[in-house]
Amino acid sequence: DAGITQSPRHKVTETGTPVTLRCHQTENHRYMYWYRQDPGHGLRLIHYSYGVKDTDKGEVSDGYSVSRSKTEDFLLTLESATSSQTSVYFCATWDLSNTIYFGEGSWLTVV
Amino acid sequence: SQQGEEDPQALSIQEGENATMNCSYKTSINNLQWYRQNSGRGLVHLILIRSNEREKHSGRLRVTLDTSKKSSSLLITASRAADTASYFCATDYTGNQFYFGTGTSLTVIP
Repeated sequence: DAGITQSPRHKVTETGTPVTLRCHQTENHRYMYWYRQDPGHGLRLIHYSYGVKDTDKGEVSDGYSVSRSKTEDFLLTLESATSSQTSVYFCATWDLSNTIYFGEGSWLTVV
Repeated sequence: SQQGEEDPQALSIQEGENATMNCSYKTSINNLQWYRQNSGRGLVHLILIRSNEREKHSGRLRVTLDTSKKSSSLLITASRAADTASYFCATDYTGNQFYFGTGTSLTVIP
């Protein structure tokens, strides 16, 4: 357990509204990731961070932005939510070891 | 997409039987990992195999890697009902980005 907390855990929002998901870690891991999980697609990388203010795009980054102002926090923002962004979002961290640590997920429904 | 693919998508076996699931990937990798996900939970690390290794064991888990075929297999021996979960492979070819497969859903019937 790498002490990863995601918030909110569940959210329903309307199309066109902005949404921010927060990931907080207590282990001081350098790398942090946001994934989305959808049936038939598994987990897909949205964005990741390799340090404070250092971020890069993953394979499904369109419509998403991220920010990391502190080592422990990694925010994922949907600027204008769409129904296609209804998904389960997972935050993960990596400390250069053999293991990626995952949060418990955030269920987002865009109506 | 850099995603791998697991095969089969779903697997149902009786308790005590062995479960084998496969992962295929697309590019040369540094290492390959297997993860487990219980329903409604986050993923949990099971085992890592490096690109220069061919087989690795951990308890009831046996992982093989064939880099020439870009494939890996996960064998769970003497399965238990508690092994019911989804299993994912994750590949690392960049050193800091991890790409997950589509997963195998395993059901172990008591």
